[in-house]
Amino acid sequence: SYELTQPHSVSVSLGQTAKIACGGHRVVDRYVSWYQQRPGQSPMVVIFQDTKRPSGIPERISGSNSGNTATLTISGTQAVDEADYYCHVWDNSSAVFGGGTKLTVL
Amino acid sequence: VQLVDSGGALVQPGGSLTLSCTASGFSFSDSAMGWVRQAPGRGLEWISSIGGAGIKTYYADSVKGRFSISRDNTRNTLHLHLGSLSVEDTAIYYCVKYGPGYTGMFDFWGQGTLVTVSS
Repeated sequence: SYELTQPHSVSVSLGQTAKIACGGHRVVDRYVSWYQQRPGQSPMVVIFQDTKRPSGIPERISGSNSGNTATLTISGTQAVDEADYYCHVWDNSSAVFGGGTKLTVL
Repeated sequence: VQLVDSGGALVQPGGSLTLSCTASGFSFSDSAMGWVRQAPGRGLEWISSIGGAGIKTYYADSVKGRFSISRDNTRNTLHLHLGSLSVEDTAIYYCVKYGPGYTGMFDFWGQGTLVTVSS
């Protein structure tokens, strides 16, 4: 079965750029979605089809996908961005999630 | 769009339970739906999905043969029957809606319902 690997945690200073990696074999061949889960809340999608933002998601959140790594980038990180982030792909008809990355804003 | 999850409870090991998700604000019968769970302090785990017509169903290996997904398009409701429960099934269960077309995302999530398996 397909697997996605994420760092357990990432720290970033307020206003700086955070990058969260999602590794998988030739992940570039699959569309990647990213979800943000703030404490005590349900997850919400912030990126789909590698680079697209749903309505209401700020432009400072972006995504990319190349080779074996997809990346979620948050520019000008704000306190509200502190959350868990999960990447997601499809393996046939099964959804696969990465283990999640806790983003801490210092 | 609104997804309201319900049915979570405390259940003994070996027991069973049925979760429900009531949907509104979109064409329910045109949307594939699914369930994703999250054990306490852990990550997201996809459990099951069902096509819009309710004919095609899919399950994670961890629940295959124990859980059953179904839908009632006349009542805009999604169900998940959980059987042969073990402590490892303790989690918040989220109802999810598939995004349109081939977007590949879960574009809306329910608030979650907690299932606790304990003696």
